[in-house]
Amino acid sequence: GESVGLHLPTLSVQEGDNSIINCAYSNSASDYFIWYKQESGKGPQFIIDIRSNMDKRQGQRVTVLLNKTVKHLSLQIAATQPGDSAVYFCAENFANDYKLSFGAGTTVTVRA
Amino acid sequence: GAVVSQHPSWVICKSGTSVKIECRSLDFQATTMFWYRQFPKQSLMLMATSNEGSKATYEQGVEKDKFLINHASLTLSTLTVTSAHPEDSSFYICSATFDSGDSYEQYFGPGTRLTVT
Repeated sequence: GESVGLHLPTLSVQEGDNSIINCAYSNSASDYFIWYKQESGKGPQFIIDIRSNMDKRQGQRVTVLLNKTVKHLSLQIAATQPGDSAVYFCAENFANDYKLSFGAGTTVTVRA
Repeated sequence: GAVVSQHPSWVICKSGTSVKIECRSLDFQATTMFWYRQFPKQSLMLMATSNEGSKATYEQGVEKDKFLINHASLTLSTLTVTSAHPEDSSFYICSATFDSGDSYEQYFGPGTRLTVT
């Protein structure tokens, strides 16, 4: 399944399939990007980050891709599991002052 | 791993009263702490930046006299919602930044659900 983040805030994906969550960030000067997962009633949980001098970074079952030309960030989740159901936010930092600006979020629902 | 706690996890108060929310970094000293507010089905909105020993920096549109922030130590920041009204009902989340020198990470607390009746 694929989402375009700000324009399609929900994504339904079959268990076992790969998920792609997209995010359009706002500031071309941003140099640090983070993906967070937030479950209902809880605080955001760090998933993976990437700096602007990289195009791709991989973690455990997750990959983040950064396209600075079009200011686009994506999160790929491999073999999506029911525990992946949550809201996913991208965040950007552009002033090197630790402040983060969050995107609108995408709700991911995993179908059994 | 780094843990940030918040207390209380939820609170119900009457309109006109004040509520204090604590944010603690349990196993590290935080360079900076942040306070966010999140309304249902919306994103996190940064309210203010809190540094130990200095006045908080508030984002545009956030009333500093209404949302009092005190950063008593490198592990504790408090947010006091003064004269709370129903429109202040929200999910308040803090974060604490750990800067290792080579990089930094921002760890989030579990949030505090405030309901003003």
